[in-house]
Amino acid sequence: SSELTQDPAVSVALGQTVRITCQGDSLRSYYASWYQQKPGQAPVLVIYGKNNRPSGIPDRFSGSSSGNTASLTITGAQAEDEADYYCNSRDSSGNHSFGTGTKVTVL
Amino acid sequence: QITLKESGPTLVKPTQTLTLTCTFSGFSLSTSGVGVGWIRQPPGKALEWLALIYWNDDKRYSPSLKSRLTITKDTSKNQVVLTMTNMDPVDTATYYCAHSGSSGRNFDYWGQGTLVTVSS
Repeated sequence: SSELTQDPAVSVALGQTVRITCQGDSLRSYYASWYQQKPGQAPVLVIYGKNNRPSGIPDRFSGSSSGNTASLTITGAQAEDEADYYCNSRDSSGNHSFGTGTKVTVL
Repeated sequence: QITLKESGPTLVKPTQTLTLTCTFSGFSLSTSGVGVGWIRQPPGKALEWLALIYWNDDKRYSPSLKSRLTITKDTSKNQVVLTMTNMDPVDTATYYCAHSGSSGRNFDYWGQGTLVTVSS
């Protein structure tokens, strides 16, 4: 499975916008999905496909992709968005990879 | 609603084989496009995908762990079993199972996870 690289940590002021990126060769062919994980909890899917949100995920979460880079944007970050975020994709063999993870701090 | 729950030993010794069971409800693993995957997370570290089994019994394994992993399903019991041989302390992690309803494109429902410690 191919590697997916994320920045280790980002911070954002309350109410501002933050973009988290994920880079990997598989992203040229397959969409990333994005997961939010809070301490002691299981990951939660927040974005999948081109830019789809599961039921219950606020519309401040959005996704995009260009070349080998996928992005998750939080527009108007809230205190409850402070968490670790992971991207995920599969490759042409059907094998999956998760990104290295980004810790988002809301100031 | 879809739920998944992992079960198995909390402590295994080095070189032993780990067997984990994912018991699920709210969906059938005989439905086209459905899969169940296993993902683990060492304490303080990132998620790592391990394996995925589909409704048609197609299986995928992490290339780096393929020789140690076996994933099977029991559709009648609504269970998926993962075995990992030759356990080592570096395999200490929380192990999650997760549902994929989109032919393996993403994992939309997750179990709570089970912490497995490898120690003598």
